[in-house]
Amino acid sequence: AQSVAQPEDQVNVAEGNPLTVKCTYSVSGNPYLFWYVQYPNRGLQFLLKYITGDNLVKGSYGFEAEFNKSQTSFHLKKPSALVSDSALYFCAADSGNTGKLIFGQGTTLQVKP
Amino acid sequence: NAGVTQTPKFQVLKTGQSMTLQCAQDMNHEYMSWYRQDPGMGLRLIHYSVGAGITDQGEVPNGYNVSRSTTEDFPLRLLSAAPSQTSVYFCASSRGQGDGYTFGSGTRLTVV
Repeated sequence: AQSVAQPEDQVNVAEGNPLTVKCTYSVSGNPYLFWYVQYPNRGLQFLLKYITGDNLVKGSYGFEAEFNKSQTSFHLKKPSALVSDSALYFCAADSGNTGKLIFGQGTTLQVKP
Repeated sequence: NAGVTQTPKFQVLKTGQSMTLQCAQDMNHEYMSWYRQDPGMGLRLIHYSVGAGITDQGEVPNGYNVSRSTTEDFPLRLLSAAPSQTSVYFCASSRGQGDGYTFGSGTRLTVV
């Protein structure tokens, strides 16, 4: 079965430090990959996507993600975390490039002052 | 633009009741989807559509029906509500393959 895994339920970082939220995928072919963020009691907001090309993609709010085909990973990164980055982050893959997204379980990012 | 609009925001149903969750988008997006969000399980796809008149099942379709008579609207029908359908439901739309989805603000459904 095709799946997306986020191995950490929660990531804690201090404000100003770099952050990484991990994502690995088990999806056939060359999937499209996405990161979304969810603030409390809100819908999901699109952060960035990887379709093809450069393995480092840049997105909203200073976030970027690194695609690694050999490790089937798509980790979310930010050089300097803000307290306002605290939220729930979801990685997703478009299985077979059909528009059907498979989501990971989500990772709660907690940034402390 | 309003984006993706879901109604109602909250709903309590009794077991066995039926209802329709409404979803409308004003971005002329072809792709629309329904997801349910449960703690620790991420979002799971219920049904999706790639255009008016075309729908298909996702990962957890049982107990739900959809139709897509127009590009703008994609209602989700619960046929006979069960406590296992207690969840937060999100509707989303996209221009197409490779494009990011825009999500609605969600409907929190409780079945008692």
